[in-house]
Amino acid sequence: DGGITQSPKYLFRKEGQNVTLSCEQNLNHDAMYWYRQDPGQGLRLIYYSQIVNDFQKGDIAEGYSVSREKKESFPLTVTSAQKNPTAFYLCASSFDWNEQFFGPGTRLTVL
Amino acid sequence: GENVGLHLPTLSVQEGDNSIINCAYSNSASDYFIWYKQESGKGPQFIIDIRSNMDKRQGQRVTVLLNKTVKHLSLQIAATQPGDSAVYFCAESPRRNDMRFGAGTRLTVKP
Repeated sequence: DGGITQSPKYLFRKEGQNVTLSCEQNLNHDAMYWYRQDPGQGLRLIYYSQIVNDFQKGDIAEGYSVSREKKESFPLTVTSAQKNPTAFYLCASSFDWNEQFFGPGTRLTVL
Repeated sequence: GENVGLHLPTLSVQEGDNSIINCAYSNSASDYFIWYKQESGKGPQFIIDIRSNMDKRQGQRVTVLLNKTVKHLSLQIAATQPGDSAVYFCAESPRRNDMRFGAGTRLTVKP
């Protein structure tokens, strides 16, 4: 089955820790994205990547880092510099200027 | 920056009735628009899209209307069913890899 997967579904982090969220797609899409969703708000773009080994900051990149070593994978690291990391994180991919396909999301909670 | 917004945060309809969810956008350069459905704890699912050279597009039980003059987008769902209960987002895209999401409208279908 083609699709986009995220893991883990739930993640708990202690203050001061870095954590990495996984995102994998087998849709052969060039572009991948990371969004953050907070209750009652729209999705906000953290980072996006149009091609392997290239990525761009979105609107709220501070405290986050990404890598794009493979076309299929776009992991997101939430660093200790992110002051309010508790949120629902969504990864998406797209082919050119078309609809973005979303993964099931990872809910991150800081303890 | 310019953001997509929604007129109503919640909408409650009777099963079998038609639903209309509205969205206002502010970027006149946006060329591509999408409606997504998001169920609790899940990633958004694509419903229907429309490009700026069209003013109406129909899918299965859904219709999207675009009024560029007043920068308004609407989603019509025919014969609303309990399974349609979810949060619906509109999104606009003024350029490749740039998609802006509204906060969403929660649709509740009463049996």
